[in-house]
Amino acid sequence: AQSVTQPDIHITVSEGASLELRCNYSYGATPYLFWYVQSPGQGLQLLLKYFSGDTLVQGIKGFEAEFKRSQSSFNLRKPSVHWSDAAEYFCAVGATGGSYIPTFGRGTSLIVHP
Amino acid sequence: GAGVSQSPSNKVTEKGKDVELRCDPISGHTALYWYRQRLGQGLEFLIYFQGNSAPDKSGLPSDRFSAERTGESVSTLTIQRTQQEDSAVYLCASTRGGSSGANVLTFGAGSRLTVL
Repeated sequence: AQSVTQPDIHITVSEGASLELRCNYSYGATPYLFWYVQSPGQGLQLLLKYFSGDTLVQGIKGFEAEFKRSQSSFNLRKPSVHWSDAAEYFCAVGATGGSYIPTFGRGTSLIVHP
Repeated sequence: GAGVSQSPSNKVTEKGKDVELRCDPISGHTALYWYRQRLGQGLEFLIYFQGNSAPDKSGLPSDRFSAERTGESVSTLTIQRTQQEDSAVYLCASTRGGSSGANVLTFGAGSRLTVL
């Protein structure tokens, strides 16, 4: 079975600063990888996904993520954070065989200071 | 509809009462998931429906929890004899895809349940 670790519960950044949210996974092969964002009072929305190919993937709202097989990581980055990026961010893993239930990390809460 | 609709958005109940939470998926989405999100925790899988196949109930935490879905339409999650530890946001998601880990889920806004 797959698992996901998001080691940071909260991250605080200043508006305009760069951002990196960490995600590590455990799975016997290369899984499907996702980042979702949950804004207050709203459902989760897909930011980006990685299935295969180029290990640097671009998503919506200026976000990108890089898959590093050697580190079993799929960290989310943004070069300049906006106040509207304050939200909860979830990394998720989908198995490429067997279970079809995506596994989510516990989330990282992003706080943006003006 | 345009998105996944969940009702009620908020529910406050007394310990021991039964509650029903409803999810209306996107039209044409064959798969439907229920997750639970406790305060400060990640999403906990509860149950999965795919078309007319038998549901995957492996995530239901106790026999007080049950869910139904008729065909590819509305789903209802029922919690009997609610306990305080059932307090959480219950999220529903749907997807068009088959049984695959590559599915991208579309989530509803959730139903926040508070058990007093």
